[in-house]
Amino acid sequence: DAGVIQSPRHEVTEMGQEVTLRCKPISGHNSLFWYRQTMMRGLELLIYFNNNVPIDDSGMPEDRFSAKMPNASFSTLKIQPSEPRDSAVYFCASRKQTGLNTEAFFGQGTRLTVV
Amino acid sequence: KQEVTQIPAALSVPEGENLVLNCSFTDSAIYNLQWFRQDPGKGLTSLLLIQSSQREQTSGRLNASLDKSSGRSTLYIAASQPGDSATYLCAVSPFTGGGNKLTFGTGTQLKVEL
Repeated sequence: DAGVIQSPRHEVTEMGQEVTLRCKPISGHNSLFWYRQTMMRGLELLIYFNNNVPIDDSGMPEDRFSAKMPNASFSTLKIQPSEPRDSAVYFCASRKQTGLNTEAFFGQGTRLTVV
Repeated sequence: KQEVTQIPAALSVPEGENLVLNCSFTDSAIYNLQWFRQDPGKGLTSLLLIQSSQREQTSGRLNASLDKSSGRSTLYIAASQPGDSATYLCAVSPFTGGGNKLTFGTGTQLKVEL
């Protein structure tokens, strides 16, 4: 398996523009997570899905952020409009939620810079 | 609210040394605890997962222990190598929620020198 795949790897955009980050989870995994990593705040959970349904979006910082999971193999995180303080590395992770403990696997991340 | 602390924040050791990284958490009602490694500019790689009912897990030169009642975990690295240089993160998931919603520590940045 290729692991969790995120695109793009790097994104530089101007303030006010819409940004869309993409994620393909590991096949067979039914939980998907979006995290944000910054120097100041470390890794923070933004939102997670179980079986394509958003379960907890309490970490989404503002209404400018939205996430969708139209099917089991694809998710997007959208920021509209983007602001310089949104600059961070955004990670997607997936996990197979069964009755047993299973690990979360992370993608390589998207480094977002908003200028 | 769960808080996860890792000490030390940074550590530099000579090659071959055994070392211990520490992780503490404030809410002992956890589902599991996971240790990750992160290389500069890269994603997170899962190293070990300890279930709440377990006391330790081992993988190669790595051994992770869990003392849930005291809110502590340690990651022991034996015979450290320069390739072990990375940031090590621990994360806990709450008892409710089936192991989702990881809360991460701030990490320990490890450098193993030749």
